[in-house]
Amino acid sequence: GAVVSQHPSRVICKSGTSVKIECRSLDFQATTMFWYRQFPKQSLMLMATSNEGSKATYEQGVEKDKFLINHASLTLSTLTVTSAHPEDSSFYICSARNQQVNYGYTFGSGTRLTVV
Amino acid sequence: QQPVQSPQAVILREGEDAVINCSSSKALYSVHWYRQKHGEAPVFLMILLKGGEQKGHEKISASFNEKKQQSSLYLTASQLSYSGTYFCGTEGVGGNNRKLIWGLGTSLAVNP
Repeated sequence: GAVVSQHPSRVICKSGTSVKIECRSLDFQATTMFWYRQFPKQSLMLMATSNEGSKATYEQGVEKDKFLINHASLTLSTLTVTSAHPEDSSFYICSARNQQVNYGYTFGSGTRLTVV
Repeated sequence: QQPVQSPQAVILREGEDAVINCSSSKALYSVHWYRQKHGEAPVFLMILLKGGEQKGHEKISASFNEKKQQSSLYLTASQLSYSGTYFCGTEGVGGNNRKLIWGLGTSLAVNP
């Protein structure tokens, strides 16, 4: 199988605070996970590739210090939005791929972040 | 690098057919198709790995023309549940090109 669990599904936070989003692969090991951001009615924008045991690879234009990624185990990656501002409000989605069964990418259910 | 999807939007009546196309300017290793409903994460439909490969999933099938670097998604006898935005994702051949690149999506609305 290939199940990815993402929490929380919704979060509202105040400006200046930090928010942590968790992404877990439940029935397979994921050495690589992907974090996306999606604005309404737009495509998925890859923010970074999370690599187990090493530093994440960020896409051009994504602030590393703003969006902290940690991939401490083969089943867990976290994205922390630090010092959140209203412009960080968005839909954040993680995904992973079970290479052994040649599935496509499985997505977490997404996190709707609202910064007030 | 981003694959081009067409059309941008489709409106169907239940039972009608539709074709969504995805084309790339680069040589492709694979093409993925996903459907996303409003407020939800994308759901994997199928992956095509070989040129000329065709795959089916219920009444949804797809083809991949490796030479033309194109893929098409076929929805036959559409159902209300098919409504959503369809994205293709492409992986280039070799090395660092294996990152999935997403198209802009095709919005599909199926009406009764």
